[in-house]
Amino acid sequence: AQSVAQPEDQVNVAEGNPLTVKCTYSVSGNPYLFWYVQYPNRGLQFLLKYITGDNLVKGSYGFEAEFNKSQTSFHLKKPSALVSDSALYFCAVRVPSGGSYIPTFGRGTSLIVHP
Amino acid sequence: DVKVTQSSRYLVKRTGEKVFLECVQDMDHENMFWYRQDPGLGLRLIYFSYDVKMKEKGDIPEGYSVSREKKERFSLILESASTNQTSMYLCASRLTLTYEQYFGPGTRLTVT
Repeated sequence: AQSVAQPEDQVNVAEGNPLTVKCTYSVSGNPYLFWYVQYPNRGLQFLLKYITGDNLVKGSYGFEAEFNKSQTSFHLKKPSALVSDSALYFCAVRVPSGGSYIPTFGRGTSLIVHP
Repeated sequence: DVKVTQSSRYLVKRTGEKVFLECVQDMDHENMFWYRQDPGLGLRLIYFSYDVKMKEKGDIPEGYSVSREKKERFSLILESASTNQTSMYLCASRLTLTYEQYFGPGTRLTVT
């Protein structure tokens, strides 16, 4: 089955330290990959996407993600974490459905940034 | 900015009631989606719509139906609410196949 996996339910990091939230994918063909963030009691917000081109993708709020085809990964990164980055993060991949494509989401990773 | 609105933030209904959740987007997006979000399970797709009057089942359509009579509006219907439908419901829209989704704030539905 075509899918994404987020191997960590929770990631803890100290403010100011670099953070990584992991995502691996399993799709046939070229993957279209996305990261979203969800703050408490809110809907999801788009952070960034990889369609083609440069393997390092920059997005909102200082986040970036690195596409690695050989490792089938698309990890989300930030050089210096803020307490306000604490939220739920979802990785998603586009998968075929009938004559179209729909997004399939991972289960989410809770990021906790400690002061 | 794209805006996706949902009719209610919080809703409490009784078992057996018919429940309507409405979603409206203001950017002329073709595709619209309904998800439910449960702890530990992530987002699960209930139904999606490619365009007006078109709908496709997602991963968990049982107990739900949808309606899309106008491009900007996508309704989720629980014909006879049950307690296992207590959840957060998220609506999203998307311009076309390769683009990111825009989500509404969610409706937290409690069925008692």
